[in-house]
Amino acid sequence: DQQVKQNSPSLSVQEGRISILNCDYTNSMFDYFLWYKKYPAEGPTFLISISSIKDKNEDGRFTVFLNKSAKHLSLHIVPSQPGDSAVYFCAAARTDNQGGKLIFGQGTELSVKP
Amino acid sequence: TAGITQAPTSQILAAGRSMTLRCTQDMRHNAMYWYRQDLGLGLRLIHYSNTAGTTGKGEVPDGYSVSRANTDDFPLTLASAVPSQTSVYFCASSETPFGLAKNIQYFGAGTRLSVL
Repeated sequence: DQQVKQNSPSLSVQEGRISILNCDYTNSMFDYFLWYKKYPAEGPTFLISISSIKDKNEDGRFTVFLNKSAKHLSLHIVPSQPGDSAVYFCAAARTDNQGGKLIFGQGTELSVKP
Repeated sequence: TAGITQAPTSQILAAGRSMTLRCTQDMRHNAMYWYRQDLGLGLRLIHYSNTAGTTGKGEVPDGYSVSRANTDDFPLTLASAVPSQTSVYFCASSETPFGLAKNIQYFGAGTRLSVL
């Protein structure tokens, strides 16, 4: 039972264009969402997060959008750069007494071509 | 700063043998976590610890045990390894297990384990 789903295993984008990575979740109790980026042979690194009280959070080239009614979030990277090529994981959590257990999606491998 | 250190970086293990994956953090974080990453399944939580002296089960705890004797160390033990435990294992920590920004988890570089 996959509570967090990233249905696109891979995405290829031209340098300078927008990359849009999507994530869907099923548990309406999730109220905190994060995106992690992972390069080969390294651990995931935190990229950006959003609380359920917001519908958008921006940090430089990275913007996360949250649509609570659709239980959907997306990560936009504009403009995309070759160094953005990595696997991106979305994760969801409950900030109540369930503690910090993050539920991860399967990941989307982004390839940004020069 | 080191952050989270995992050892070994990779290991080949015969089925039925035991092994302990080591994890040490130097950030004085209260919470620590063990995940396994498998193709097509993402990262799945094995065990976690909200503070020293306490542990809890994640999504896939069977076949694994953990201990949290102090703040810095969170070893993961496979008592009798099976081939299905072939995976990449990541240790992570967060300042606290609750709340928002303080719950951001920081990951080690991983241990690649093959059980034959």
